Amino acid sequence: EVQLVQSGAEVKKPGESLKISCKGSGYSFSSYWIAWVRQMPGKGLEWMGIIYSGDSDTRYSPSFQGQVTISADKSISTAYLQWSSLKASDTAMYYCARTLSSGWFDFWGQGTLVTVSS
Amino acid sequence: NFMLTQPHSVSESPGKTVTISCTRSSGSIASNYVQWYQQRPGSAPTTVIYEDNQRPSGVPDRFSGSIDSSSNSASLTISGLSSEDEADYYCQSYDGSNWVFGGGTKLTVL
Repeated sequence: EVQLVQSGAEVKKPGESLKISCKGSGYSFSSYWIAWVRQMPGKGLEWMGIIYSGDSDTRYSPSFQGQVTISADKSISTAYLQWSSLKASDTAMYYCARTLSSGWFDFWGQGTLVTVSS
Repeated sequence: NFMLTQPHSVSESPGKTVTISCTRSSGSIASNYVQWYQQRPGSAPTTVIYEDNQRPSGVPDRFSGSIDSSSNSASLTISGLSSEDEADYYCQSYDGSNWVFGGGTKLTVL
């Protein structure tokens, strides 16, 4: 059974750093792309970026380029999303999703809620 | 980059049929596959239609997808509405370098 299990909710202060994770199981992790998707409170889905852990090829949405870093460790089937300096506007639910070559997201993680507040 | 525009909300009665549209701003709707995701409150999205009109296993055939090149739009049609269909629905497409979501449509089953 394909599963993506994300790390737990985080509460941080502005300016702090953060790295959240997404662990895949039940399939060959390094053979698929993993995307990250943001959902701000009461808002829609936004594609942030994507990584192919097989060779670490990473692409970012222009809206998120330079704001976050996506990485992966294929040895432990885990993808990461990190911030070096959080802002209150980073408060959102973040989802990881396995991505197929035709461009759709077939399996999703349960989401990680990030709250940034002073 | 293109945008995908959906109606903010739609509503219909139980047992009826509803159609949600997704209009592409530039480029042909037929040039890249369109997907549809359902998101119930407090849950992660799940796929109800992929590659324009394919249903993942487990999705009932009450859900169907289509594209219309004349209006440059995709549509999700849900027949035999029930309260369990009440959710947000998002269309999504991919142009080879960017993944784009529509703004989402809130479906209310009255």
